[in-house]
Amino acid sequence: AQTVTQSQPEMSVQEAETVTLSCTYDTSENNYYLFWYKQPPSRQMILVIRQEAYKQQNATENRFSVNFQKAAKSFSLKISDSQLGDTAMYFCAFMKHVGGAQKLVFGQGTRLTINP
Amino acid sequence: EAQVTQNPRYLITVTGKKLTVTCSQNMNHEYMSWYRQDPGLGLRQIYYSMNVEVTDKGDVPEGYKVSRKEKRNFPLILESPSPNQTSLYFCASSFWQGGGGSYEQYFGPGTRLTVT
Repeated sequence: AQTVTQSQPEMSVQEAETVTLSCTYDTSENNYYLFWYKQPPSRQMILVIRQEAYKQQNATENRFSVNFQKAAKSFSLKISDSQLGDTAMYFCAFMKHVGGAQKLVFGQGTRLTINP
Repeated sequence: EAQVTQNPRYLITVTGKKLTVTCSQNMNHEYMSWYRQDPGLGLRQIYYSMNVEVTDKGDVPEGYKVSRKEKRNFPLILESPSPNQTSLYFCASSFWQGGGGSYEQYFGPGTRLTVT
């Protein structure tokens, strides 16, 4: 079974700093997808970034980028120039697409606080 | 506006009293799923549906039922709720076109359920 591990339950940085959230996963699959979701205090789940395992290039979305290391099964999220609005719970997720089913497995989450 | 709606948003109930949490999406997505979120465990999939009348168990299906009679609706049924089902519940709908194609996933706003 696939598992996703986020080893940092909580992190805290100052506004404008860069922060990296860690995520490792365990799978025997070769084709899969990885995601980072943001959950602010409103509890809404917001997709931040996604990475297809077959792509070697790391995904980027504005201030958010990932470091995808397929051999090491590592998928970290870097937030540059952090802003107060980045304060949220962040979840790493693994997905494989099998016969129409989307099996999505989440990590435990990292609570990120951006301090003014 | 593309959205997934859930009702109710908050519910306090007693052990054994049947309840239904509704979920509806307006994006014509074929795939829908239910998750529960618990502290330290992230989100775990309860049930999913690949299309009308096609449903299957996720990772934690015990104590839950679902139905998919219409494409837009995917209600979650707790026939005899117990305190260990106290949790935050999310409905999600998604569309996936693999091979680097488009991907959309939307989560509902969440339902906070307390079973006493």
